[in-house]
Amino acid sequence: DAGVIQSPRHEVTEMGQEVTLRCKPISGHNSLFWYRQTMMRGLELLIYFNNNVPIDDSGMPEDRFSAKMPNASFSTLKIQPSEPRDSAVYFCASRVQGAVRTEAFFGQGTRLTVV
Amino acid sequence: AQTVTQSQPEMSVQEAETVTLSCTYDTSESDYYLFWYKQPPSRQMILVIRQEAYKQQNATENRFSVNFQKAAKSFSLKISDSQLGDAAMYFCAYSPGNQFYFGTGTSLTVIP
Repeated sequence: DAGVIQSPRHEVTEMGQEVTLRCKPISGHNSLFWYRQTMMRGLELLIYFNNNVPIDDSGMPEDRFSAKMPNASFSTLKIQPSEPRDSAVYFCASRVQGAVRTEAFFGQGTRLTVV
Repeated sequence: AQTVTQSQPEMSVQEAETVTLSCTYDTSESDYYLFWYKQPPSRQMILVIRQEAYKQQNATENRFSVNFQKAAKSFSLKISDSQLGDAAMYFCAYSPGNQFYFGTGTSLTVIP
């Protein structure tokens, strides 16, 4: 299996622009997580899905952030409009729902820089 | 609120020596899992070790072991015979049910 695949690896954009981050979970995994990593806050859970349905989005910082999972093999995290404080590394992770002893498998992350 | 605290932003250890990374968590749950992840400069998150809360025996994986104190809500990671390849950011994670909550991480430097 190729693991969790995120794209792009790096994104540089200007303030005010729309940014879309993409994630393909591991086949067969039905839980998907989006995290944001910063030096100050570490890994923050933004949102997670079970069977393509958003379960908890309380970590989404504000209305500028939105996430979708139209099918079991694809998810997006969108920031519109982007701001410099959104600069961070964004990770997607997947797991088999209900198999609580298993770890979450992470993608390589997207480093977002908003200038 | 369910939170994970790693009180050591940075640690260093001499090669071949032992180092312990601290982690505490806050929960009202009785059944959950705990994990330690390693993040090298490549950014890849790699599972190091896991612990089931209902097991009293501390988990061990080669040079890595944990000291799990359920009553104290403490979950420290001990790295024995430290190697240069152990240099990385280490994250403690708490998982009740399907969610994962991470600490802010500890940056480990291994001194040759």
